[in-house]
Amino acid sequence: EPEVTQTPSHQVTQMGQEVILRCVPISNHLYFYWYRQILGQKVEFLVSFYNNEISEKSEIFDDQFSVERPDGSNFTLKIRSTKLEDSAMYFCASSESWPNYGYTFGSGTRLTVV
Amino acid sequence: AQSVTQPDIHITVSEGASLELRCNYSYGATPYLFWYVQSPGQGLQLLLKYFSGDTLVQGIKGFEAEFKRSQSSFNLRKPSVHWSDAAEYFCAVGASGGSYIPTFGRGTSLIVHP
Repeated sequence: EPEVTQTPSHQVTQMGQEVILRCVPISNHLYFYWYRQILGQKVEFLVSFYNNEISEKSEIFDDQFSVERPDGSNFTLKIRSTKLEDSAMYFCASSESWPNYGYTFGSGTRLTVV
Repeated sequence: AQSVTQPDIHITVSEGASLELRCNYSYGATPYLFWYVQSPGQGLQLLLKYFSGDTLVQGIKGFEAEFKRSQSSFNLRKPSVHWSDAAEYFCAVGASGGSYIPTFGRGTSLIVHP
């Protein structure tokens, strides 16, 4: 069964550093998403991406965040200057068409900011 | 804006017992409703979804859920739980009249005793 692949599975970074989280969505999917889950809290929507641009973003997705699809397969989330409160599990997801068909999620990247 | 509540943080059942996980949503129009499962170290896997039609929805792994508009609920059920069902379960609601981006609940952790 096709999978969404996320790397790395765990990343530790120092406060103020930039991090890039990587995702390889399912090859025929057109819509891409990032979610995050702070330990013990809800899974929160960050951003959706379609046709090489952001289609929707939440209040969490401020200027320190950016997304990019640098080539035909990767989808990245960049956090420019990490803060302690950015520590969370970050999930990438993709969907084939209209988003309400249900996403396929990756297994997540656990980001720890120290 | 839509919201979803999973009132139970943890649920403990014995293997072979029946299971019901509660989910209540808040949304003015017809919602799109989802249940996802997250096994340890894995991504979020879609169990089932409701868009319209029959209010009793069958999913994978023997799960079902019933949409009750009068109660604003979409509870997940399984008649006989297996040890492998131990995982985190997330209910999500998407708004049919606007953004389709699902809003997730906090999750319910299912513990299965042998």
